Amino acid sequence: SQQGEEDPQALSIQEGENATMNCSYKTSINNLQWYRQNSGRGLVHLILIRSNEREKHSGRLRVTLDTSKKSSSLLITASRAADTASYFCATERVRGGKLIFGQGTELSVKP
Amino acid sequence: GAVVSQHPSWVICKSGTSVKIECRSLDFQATTMFWYRQFPKQSLMLMATSNEGSKATYEQGVEKDKFLINHASLTLSTLTVTSAHPEDSSFYICSALHQGSYNEKLFFGSGTQLSVL
Repeated sequence: SQQGEEDPQALSIQEGENATMNCSYKTSINNLQWYRQNSGRGLVHLILIRSNEREKHSGRLRVTLDTSKKSSSLLITASRAADTASYFCATERVRGGKLIFGQGTELSVKP
Repeated sequence: GAVVSQHPSWVICKSGTSVKIECRSLDFQATTMFWYRQFPKQSLMLMATSNEGSKATYEQGVEKDKFLINHASLTLSTLTVTSAHPEDSSFYICSALHQGSYNEKLFFGSGTQLSVL
């Protein structure tokens, strides 16, 4: 069953702008992860944030986690056309690798 | 780094035939693998957890007799879509769990696009 919901479902921005995607989930979690998927292809792991962490950075990515609200956000700063892809959050409720994915946000960055 | 190989990357088959998809961990042993299905413009839906040497654990609503999972070795899990029908056309993707001494990490295959005519 789907755990997470993401919004927006689709986001279109200009190159150089920031993109923010939100994810909500329903149960307690061990960690939350963000993935990127180019059209029709495999997944690329972007970042993992543990339940005891509130914020994490990786390059142009910034992820926040609010366990009280059961929500997370992914911020991509200074977006590039190459960032165009679908982005999914995924929660791991307990350690063991079982991920439940959110609905995803389709990001389009126009040059 | 650790790599998971999924084969084939795409397959077209006739309705009523069976299709086998392989998921291999190339440089690590994976006692646990996962199979997901993704319809166009939708998210990944977990189908089942594949356990080496034991039966797979299927998610609610997934027909175990239709989607046969075999995890006969520590580096290979297979998903067989039996008597495939057009509604089974989808993108199937596997992941393998690498359990290290201090942490664990998940690696995804590149997916298999199945088209049933």
